[in-house]
Amino acid sequence: EAAVTQSPRNKVTVTGGNVTLSCRQTNSHNYMYWYRQDTGHGLRLIHYSYGAGNLQIGDVPDGYKATRTTQEDFFLLLELASPSQTSLYFCASSDYREEQYFGPGTRLTVL
Amino acid sequence: GEQVEQRPPHLSVREGDSAIIICTYTDSATAYFSWYKQEAGAGLQLLMSVLSNVDRKEEQGLTVLLNKKDKRLSLNLTAAHPGDSAVYFCAVSAGTGGYKVVFGSGTRLLVSP
Repeated sequence: EAAVTQSPRNKVTVTGGNVTLSCRQTNSHNYMYWYRQDTGHGLRLIHYSYGAGNLQIGDVPDGYKATRTTQEDFFLLLELASPSQTSLYFCASSDYREEQYFGPGTRLTVL
Repeated sequence: GEQVEQRPPHLSVREGDSAIIICTYTDSATAYFSWYKQEAGAGLQLLMSVLSNVDRKEEQGLTVLLNKKDKRLSLNLTAAHPGDSAVYFCAVSAGTGGYKVVFGSGTRLLVSP
């Protein structure tokens, strides 16, 4: 039974479009993360959170907002999507031990 | 900040051979080390993790070696099989809880029959 789920799995939008990526974890973890994965760059941290209502800025936050509504749910918002945000997005959760558990990913294409 | 270099970026071995992936890191305070496997179309899956007080850990055909003096972490897949074909990532962190895990750039491993 998957402990970190993401939706949608695939999304196509146009430049300037509004996109919300969703993540839910059932691990009872405090930490949740949003990464993007691009060829040549590996995994890059966008935003993370250590609890409901908390948000921390990652390494590549420009153009992204995030919101943690509950311990289980973490959302990534692209309010004016650009082609440079075409990527594979992963959500992950962890407890204090820093072992991260990843979702299956969302492939986003911005035309 | 912490810098992690992973090599090689691509590795091709025959079934039954060993495959070794190496990561070097820069921060001597790094305390937590992990290896992840990413199969095609999937997220990263945790393989093994070690604390800085461990030099060697073996599990199910995988060996992780940690050399703190040289700031080097390695993953050895002994007797690789085609099902091991995937992208492997190392990850390091300060061990202070939760955030700021730094990932290596990944190694694409191909194991041919």
